[in-house]
Formats: sequence, structure tokens, C-alpha cells
Amino acid sequence: KAGVTQTPRYLIKTRGQQVTLSCSPISGHRSVSWYQQTPGQGLQFLFEYFSETQRNKGNFPGRFSGRQFSNSRSEMNVSTLELGDSALYLCASSLDWTEPYTEAFFGQGTRLTVV
Amino acid sequence: QKEVEQNSGPLSVPEGAIASLNCTYSDRGSQSFFWYRQYSGKSPELIMFIYSNGDKEDGRFTAQLNKASQYVSLLIRDSQPSDSATYLCALTNAGGTSYGKLTFGQGTILTVHP
Repeated sequence: KAGVTQTPRYLIKTRGQQVTLSCSPISGHRSVSWYQQTPGQGLQFLFEYFSETQRNKGNFPGRFSGRQFSNSRSEMNVSTLELGDSALYLCASSLDWTEPYTEAFFGQGTRLTVV
Repeated sequence: QKEVEQNSGPLSVPEGAIASLNCTYSDRGSQSFFWYRQYSGKSPELIMFIYSNGDKEDGRFTAQLNKASQYVSLLIRDSQPSDSATYLCALTNAGGTSYGKLTFGQGTILTVHP
């Protein structure tokens, strides 16, 4: 059974540019969540998608956006990149979150460096 | 007060010893609790989850939950050098507004030395 696949693994972008990251969840999983991990702030929740709908959003500026396709694959986009956006971006795949004990499985992440 | 606080570490234990990792949380509405292990440069890997008070054992790992004290812990028995990693405590909250959201602690770095 394939795990969570994130592409690309590494990215270097210039300030002001935009970037799109991709996440393919585990087959059969319909919920995809995105997280930002930095040394200073740790793992922080960005947003969650289920059946192409954003159901939850963290405290990030509007420059961070996402979407989900009918096959449950998800993309996140960051516009007008800032140096502080340099981080490891992780997506997590789950069956759903209606059960409080749903397990979430992470992909390998995309390491974004903004220069 | 942080939503999830973990013992600051780093924690160093000898091979074969018991490693004890602790986590407290502030929201009494928290429902489920997770322990993830993250090796340097890798993504978090789910070790265990627990949602009922008491102990839950899985191999060398035991998770303990005390909702009255808002405390969750992870014990690693017979620690091995391969257990050296950052351990992340995470939780979910009740209600529809918590979809997909895990709230993480800052993590505890564990080193198991031979």
C-alpha cells in the first residue's frame, strides 16, 4: 500500500515568487491536512480538505491557500514568498476526522527555501 | 500557556533503560492523543494514539493518559540507539471545527547511548 507522496521534495525560490506543492494521500483516504514545520514554531496547522472542501483553517495569512481534487490529491500554494516561509511543509492523510481518534499519516515533506 | 507542553529535554538514557516522555495540555476538550517520532530530516511517524484514560501498550511502547490531570506520557522500555529521535506529542479537540487539526508540542529530543 503506497504511503503519502509529496512533490517536490526540495524547492528553492526567490522572495516574491509563488510556489505550488503537491500531496497524494494514501489510497482511500479523503482527508488531507497541511502543516508547516520550522525550528522556532514547530508544527503548525495550515488547513484541511475533505471531498474538495476546506473544512478547517489555521492562523496563516491569505498568501497560503490550497485545494483538493476529486481524486483526493491536494495542492497548497504560497504566493509572494517571504524569507520566513522557509520551512518543511508536510501533508497528512486520514480516512476522515469524524472519529476523534482518526490516525494521520505524514508524507516525507517538501523542504522550501526562500532566498 | 501553550496548548501542548512537553518536557523540554534533551533526554539522554543508556541503552536498555526506560525512557519517559511527558506531555501536558491545557484544553479539557481534547479528545485523542498521539505520539509521533521524527528522525532528523524525516517526517513524523505515528507510534501510538490513545483516547481513553489508562495505559495502552504496543510492544516496547506504553502510552498513559490521565484526562483529569491533563497529562499524557510515553514510556519506551528497553531503549535502543535506534530510538534516538524527537518525540512529538499531539492532540485533537472535539467538534467539527477541529477537522484535520493536530496540535503539537515542541517535541522532546531523546538520545539513547550505547
